Amino acid sequence: AQSVTQPDIHITVSEGASLELRCNYSYGATPYLFWYVQSPGQGLQLLLKYFSGDTLVQGIKGFEAEFKRSQSSFNLRKPSVHWSDAAEYFCAVGLTSGGSYIPTFGRGTSLIVHP
Amino acid sequence: DSGVTQTPKHLITATGQRVTLRCSPRSGDLSVYWYQQSLDQGLQFLIHYYNGEERAKGNILERFSAQQFPDLHSELNLSSLELGDSALYFCASSATPGLATDTQYFGPGTRLTVL
Repeated sequence: AQSVTQPDIHITVSEGASLELRCNYSYGATPYLFWYVQSPGQGLQLLLKYFSGDTLVQGIKGFEAEFKRSQSSFNLRKPSVHWSDAAEYFCAVGLTSGGSYIPTFGRGTSLIVHP
Repeated sequence: DSGVTQTPKHLITATGQRVTLRCSPRSGDLSVYWYQQSLDQGLQFLIHYYNGEERAKGNILERFSAQQFPDLHSELNLSSLELGDSALYFCASSATPGLATDTQYFGPGTRLTVL
């Protein structure tokens, strides 16, 4: 069965440091991959998505992600973290269900940013 | 602000009761998706409607039902509530009937507490 794994439940970084959040997927074909962010008390917001083409994807808020087929990974990166980036981050894979592409989410990684 | 509205923000009820959660999609969006976010199960897809018709079903219990009305707002009905139904319920909307390239816009959620 298809699945998405985010191995890190919590990540703590200092403001200004670089960030990498890990995501691994299990899927038979080329997946549709997404990263979402959820700030406290809010809904999810799409950061970026990958369907095909260039394996390095640029998103909003200075985030990027790289698709590596050989490693079944889609890690999210940011070169310099801001305190406002503290949030929950979800990786998702789009799976077909009744003709629709429905995101299946990982369990999330909570990002803590120290001043 | 995603443009998706959900009411109520909070709902506290007792076991065995029935509640209705409401979602208004972004202007022009025809698709509505419902998700449940709980500590146990994470973020799970429940059901997808497009222009009034059910398109896809996920892990939705038989005690739960949904519909999308002609004005495109959607309601999620939860009945015979159990303690384990306590969760955040999100709706999301999109313009298309569930294409892989679609972007879903999430509402702020309804927090349901069953006592």
